[in-house]
Amino acid sequence: AQSVAQPEDQVNVAEGNPLTVKCTYSVSGNPYLFWYVQYPNRGLQFLLKYITGDNLVKGSYGFEAEFNKSQTSFHLKKPSALVSDSALYFCAGGQTGGQNFVFGPGTRLSVLP
Amino acid sequence: SAVISQKPSRDICQRGTSLTIQCQVDSQVTMMFWYRQQPGQSLTLIATANQGSEATYESGFVIDKFPISRPNLTFSTLTVSNMSPEDSSIYLCSVLVQGPNQPQHFGDGTRLSIL
Repeated sequence: AQSVAQPEDQVNVAEGNPLTVKCTYSVSGNPYLFWYVQYPNRGLQFLLKYITGDNLVKGSYGFEAEFNKSQTSFHLKKPSALVSDSALYFCAGGQTGGQNFVFGPGTRLSVLP
Repeated sequence: SAVISQKPSRDICQRGTSLTIQCQVDSQVTMMFWYRQQPGQSLTLIATANQGSEATYESGFVIDKFPISRPNLTFSTLTVSNMSPEDSSIYLCSVLVQGPNQPQHFGDGTRLSIL
C-alpha cells in the first residue's frame, strides 16, 4: 500500500527566513509526487509536481521541492517566506501509471511577521 | 487547468435529511473524484465518479449513503443521505484533466454542518 507522511503538524518560521515543509513517501515502483496548499475556506491549490527528470522541481509562488530517492523524501522549500504563505500544506503521492494518489496528513505553516 | 464550481459552498442541515452537492467543470475532464475533509485534517477519497456508470467507492463508503451521479464529462453530484452529526465535514470535488500521474484540481468545497 502506498502512503505519504508529513512528520510535522506545524511549522513556524519568521518572515524572510527560508522554510522547509517535510514529506516522505512509501510507494511501490516509481513514484509521482505533488504538493498542494490550502488557504482558509478554499479547496486545495496545486503547487508543483515530480514525475520524472530533475530532482529539483520548481513550482508556483517561488516554491520548490527536492526529490530524494534514497531518503524517499520530497521536501517543500522556499528561500524567503512571506506572511501570505501561511496555510495548510499537503504532500500527495502515488505509483506511476495510477490515477489515484494518497494525501499526507498536512502541515500547518505559520509565517510570523 | 480547469475551473471547478461547487455548490452549495456551505449549508446547515437537519439530522435525517439529505443534501446534494453539485460539481461543474468548465471543460471536459477524464475523471472526477469526491473527497471528505475534516477541518484542518487530511483528505479521504469517497469515490471516483464514472461517466455513464456506477461510481467506484472506497472502503468505508457505500452507495446508499453517498449516491453519486455523473451524467456527462463536465458535471457530477454527490448526495449525502440521511445525515447525522458525524457527516459534518467539508466535501471536495476534484478533477483529473490530463492522464495518469497528473495532479488533480479541486473545487473550493462544500462546508456541511448537521444539527
